[in-house]
Amino acid sequence: KAGVTQTPRYLIKTRGQQVTLSCSPISGHRSVSWYQQTPGQGLQFLFEYFSETQRNKGNFPGRFSGRQFSNSRSEMNVSTLELGDSALYLCASSLGQGDTQYFGPGTRLTVL
Amino acid sequence: AQSVTQLGSHVSVSEGALVLLRCNYSSSVPPYLFWYVQYPNQGLQLLLKYTSAATLVKGINGFEAEFKKSETSFHLTKPSAHMSDAAEYFCAVMLFSGGYNKLIFGAGTRLAVHP
Repeated sequence: KAGVTQTPRYLIKTRGQQVTLSCSPISGHRSVSWYQQTPGQGLQFLFEYFSETQRNKGNFPGRFSGRQFSNSRSEMNVSTLELGDSALYLCASSLGQGDTQYFGPGTRLTVL
Repeated sequence: AQSVTQLGSHVSVSEGALVLLRCNYSSSVPPYLFWYVQYPNQGLQLLLKYTSAATLVKGINGFEAEFKKSETSFHLTKPSAHMSDAAEYFCAVMLFSGGYNKLIFGAGTRLAVHP
């Protein structure tokens, strides 16, 4: 079974731009979660989608948003990029609540 | 509230030596606990998980962890370190009550293995 895939792997943007990251979960997984990883803050939960609905969201500004499609693929969008948004963005998929989360390779976003 | 503390941001061992990475958790309910490993420029790979079954959990690559409720600990061990074990290790507790389904991570421990 194929693992979680994320595209693109690397992105370079400038301040003020917006960006969209994509995540394809493991086949059969309906839950997709997003995490931000930075050297200063570590791994932080962004949001979780299940069956196209956002079930919960972490403590991030409204510039961070996401969605999930009927095939469980998910996208996250960051608008009006700031330097501090430079991070590794990780997507994880699972069968549902309480199940093991499996991570993709991440998208490395650099904001200049 | 759930939280995770990993003692020691850097651990260095000799090849063939015991690996011990420490993790303490705080949880108001019986926890689900996980260890993940991250190699450079990669995502997180699941090493092992505890979900209230056996307290001694065996994972991949020879790693194991023991859940000790009295000590609120879930330390990761490996009897003999290999050069390929050099990576960053994350302990996490899962919050899945009240509609949540998220992992709360510790700050991570970077393991160095020297010849």
